[in-house]
Amino acid sequence: DAGVTQSPTHLIKTRGQQVTLRCSPISGHKSVSWYQQVLGQGPQFIFQYYEKEERGRGNFPDRFSARQFPNYSSELNVNALLLGDSALYLCASSFSSNTEAFFGQGTRLTVV
Amino acid sequence: AQSVTQLDSQVPVFEEAPVELRCNYSSSVSVYLFWYVQYPNQGLQLLLKYLSGSTLVESINGFEAEFNKSQTSFHLRKPSVHISDTAEYFCAVSFEAQKLVFGQGTRLTINP
Repeated sequence: DAGVTQSPTHLIKTRGQQVTLRCSPISGHKSVSWYQQVLGQGPQFIFQYYEKEERGRGNFPDRFSARQFPNYSSELNVNALLLGDSALYLCASSFSSNTEAFFGQGTRLTVV
Repeated sequence: AQSVTQLDSQVPVFEEAPVELRCNYSSSVSVYLFWYVQYPNQGLQLLLKYLSGSTLVESINGFEAEFNKSQTSFHLRKPSVHISDTAEYFCAVSFEAQKLVFGQGTRLTINP
């Protein structure tokens, strides 16, 4: 079975641009979460979606938004990119909102 | 609010030596506890978890961790490490398994 898949794997954007990152959960998983991992630090929680509804949001500005589709895949959008948004963005899926999370390989975003 | 402290940012050890990676957490409610491992340029892999029951949990590759409620600790141990254990290790807590709070990580380096 395929694990959590994220696309693209790498991305370079210019300051001020917008970016969309995509995540496909493990088949049967209905919950998706997004994390930002800046180099040298632990991941920081951004969003959680369960059954297409937002269930939690971390301490991130409104430039960050996300959604979950009927097939449980998810997109993370970041507007008006800043240099500080450069990070590894990780998606995690789980069967429900209170079971363990399985992570994808991440999308490495570089803002120049 | 929950927080996680990994007391060592780097731990160098010799191959076949024992190792302990320390993790302390702070929470006013009962939590779930996790250790994740991250190999270079990859996402996070769940190493082991404590949800309830026995306070000693084990992984399939020889790691173990013990939940100590009085000391609010969840230290990770392995009696004999291998070169392949070289990676970044993250301790995480949550009272809902999807909303994880991570520590800063401990880089485990195995020397031959």
